Amino acid sequence: DQQVKQNSPSLSVQEGRISILNCDYTNSMFDYFLWYKKYPAEGPTFLISISSIKDKNEDGRFTVFLNKSAKHLSLHIVPSQPGDSAVYFCAAQTGTASKLTFGTGTRLQVTL
Amino acid sequence: EAEVAQSPRYKITEKSQAVAFWCDPISGHATLYWYRQILGQGPELLVQFQDESVVDDSQLPKDRFSAERLKGVDSTLKIQPAELGDSAMYLCASSPKIRTGDQYFGPGTRLLVL
Repeated sequence: DQQVKQNSPSLSVQEGRISILNCDYTNSMFDYFLWYKKYPAEGPTFLISISSIKDKNEDGRFTVFLNKSAKHLSLHIVPSQPGDSAVYFCAAQTGTASKLTFGTGTRLQVTL
Repeated sequence: EAEVAQSPRYKITEKSQAVAFWCDPISGHATLYWYRQILGQGPELLVQFQDESVVDDSQLPKDRFSAERLKGVDSTLKIQPAELGDSAMYLCASSPKIRTGDQYFGPGTRLLVL
């Protein structure tokens, strides 16, 4: 049972444009959501997070939006840069357990 | 910047052999996690420690996997005997306290079982 889903395995965006990565979840007990970026042969790197009491969190070029009613979150990267090319994982956490439940990842390719 | 250290980075072994992975979390981080990531999937938690105590090992195949964090600092994950299906990336992460989502990952150990 995949509780966190990233339905797009890959995304290609031109440099300077907006990248939008999507994530859906099924467990209504999730109350904290995170995005991680992963380069090949490295561990995931924490990018940005959002609590369920908010609907938006912004950090520089990265903004995460949360729609609780739709059980959907998205990561916006503006403007996209070639160094953003990586696999992006969405993850979720409940209030009673600190383990992260990850999606399957979306590979972002930012082209020149 | 403090980092989570893991060794070895790569390990090739034959099935039925024993393998061990080591993790040193960021100094002061009380919570330590071992995740397994199979190619094409997201990481899945194997075991979580709070200091030296196991908090969650519900997904750890206990017939062949064991984990310890004896002094509440570094940790070892062992597989004995290794099976072909254990080929994956083994990731260690740490966080300052038990209820925080901002976990910091090490570079991982890529295991190949032949």
